[in-house]
Amino acid sequence: DSGVTQTPKHLITATGQRVTLRCSPRSGDLSVYWYQQSLDQGLQFLIQYYNGEERAKGNILERFSAQQFPDLHSELNLSSLELGDSALYFCASRVGAGELFFGEGSRLTVL
Amino acid sequence: QKEVEQDPGPLSVPEGAIVSLNCTYSNSAFQYFMWYRQYSRKGPELLMYTYSSGNKEDGRFTAQVDKSSKYISLFIRDSQPSDSATYLCAMNRDDKIIFGKGTRLHILP
Repeated sequence: DSGVTQTPKHLITATGQRVTLRCSPRSGDLSVYWYQQSLDQGLQFLIQYYNGEERAKGNILERFSAQQFPDLHSELNLSSLELGDSALYFCASRVGAGELFFGEGSRLTVL
Repeated sequence: QKEVEQDPGPLSVPEGAIVSLNCTYSNSAFQYFMWYRQYSRKGPELLMYTYSSGNKEDGRFTAQVDKSSKYISLFIRDSQPSDSATYLCAMNRDDKIIFGKGTRLHILP
């Protein structure tokens, strides 16, 4: 158990819909990272937050947004969903420049 | 050109063999180099972490970094069926951690 909790574990929804994925980082970790993993693209960096502020941005679509709350949990919002958004979404957290700890992921299926 | 290139495999080797996994990268600004292991339907977990050129050993695992060639390797000695997983290289640039696509490894009993 990495200490990073992600909910929901599985989600099935329809095209055009909006979903929210939630992440609780390890106790004491201020940095939260979001990644998207698909078979053809591998693990793609989406966005990073540090203590509530956006710190780095990767290949995140405009339809996607994220935030980190004062209690340090984070949410990834995916809207106007398309078939191609079906993937595993991982959250990870870390302290400083140390090891990145991953959650078990949220598997999103868009039908 | 992608920042990090990694052969996706699959790579199948017999039990007990030495496994060599590799990544190349294009950005010399990368500061830290990592190898993660991911079992099916699980999140990646850190295997090795290094920030300098040279070798770092941990049990059956050796990580090698060659910054001049922009090339990193992971060697697994005495490979076991339990080593069957996807291995991802990762590199840290400022606050971004960029991953390779991962190499699927199968150790045949």
